[in-house]
Amino acid sequence: DAKTTQPPSMDCAEGRAANLPCNHSTISGNEYVYWYRQIHSQGPQYIIHGLKNNETNEMASLIITEDRKSSTLILPHATLRDTAVYYCIVRERNRDDKIIFGKGTRLHILP
Amino acid sequence: KAGVTQTPRYLIKTRGQQVTLSCSPISGHRSVSWYQQTPGQGLQFLFEYFSETQRNKGNFPGRFSGRQFSNSRSEMNVSTLELGDSALYLCASRGGEDQETQYFGPGTRLLVL
Repeated sequence: DAKTTQPPSMDCAEGRAANLPCNHSTISGNEYVYWYRQIHSQGPQYIIHGLKNNETNEMASLIITEDRKSSTLILPHATLRDTAVYYCIVRERNRDDKIIFGKGTRLHILP
Repeated sequence: KAGVTQTPRYLIKTRGQQVTLSCSPISGHRSVSWYQQTPGQGLQFLFEYFSETQRNKGNFPGRFSGRQFSNSRSEMNVSTLELGDSALYLCASRGGEDQETQYFGPGTRLLVL
């Protein structure tokens, strides 16, 4: 089973920051938080990952709370092309076990 | 570097037939995972292969099988197709310097009539 909880859907106005929450209250010390997104009918795309420090790349920022029980993916200036399902996953690195996706959050960017 | 490729992209079969889907991972990646995606069940893990050996398996019936070749290319086979097997089948590879990040192919959309 997925170890994360995400809202099923969210709306965001185009040009505004999209903040997608994820709860992972049972996360262990060795588990990283990964985010992927899936645009309609395409394969999921890796966005970002982190352990406990905040991370930023060209696509997004990842904010992880100090207790690591939740995190927020931030798309700083959402565009219509960011409309997708966003998946939050927690897992240890260098583990051979399977990667399980939850239901994700369907993000609608409104023009 | 070329991404993950899957063939065919679209496929129509009838109940009772069998189907074979192919996945070529990113060069240098030794792990290939397969997922089934349907509107009702979301992304469900099928199995993962690493160095020609099945490393992990999801909760699917024995009609779903796979294999991996020495060049890391992988195939999955579904025998005795059922209507409920209609889905998007996704393949993902990982490896190289970052062993954790999965890179997905575009998927094969299978329709069973």
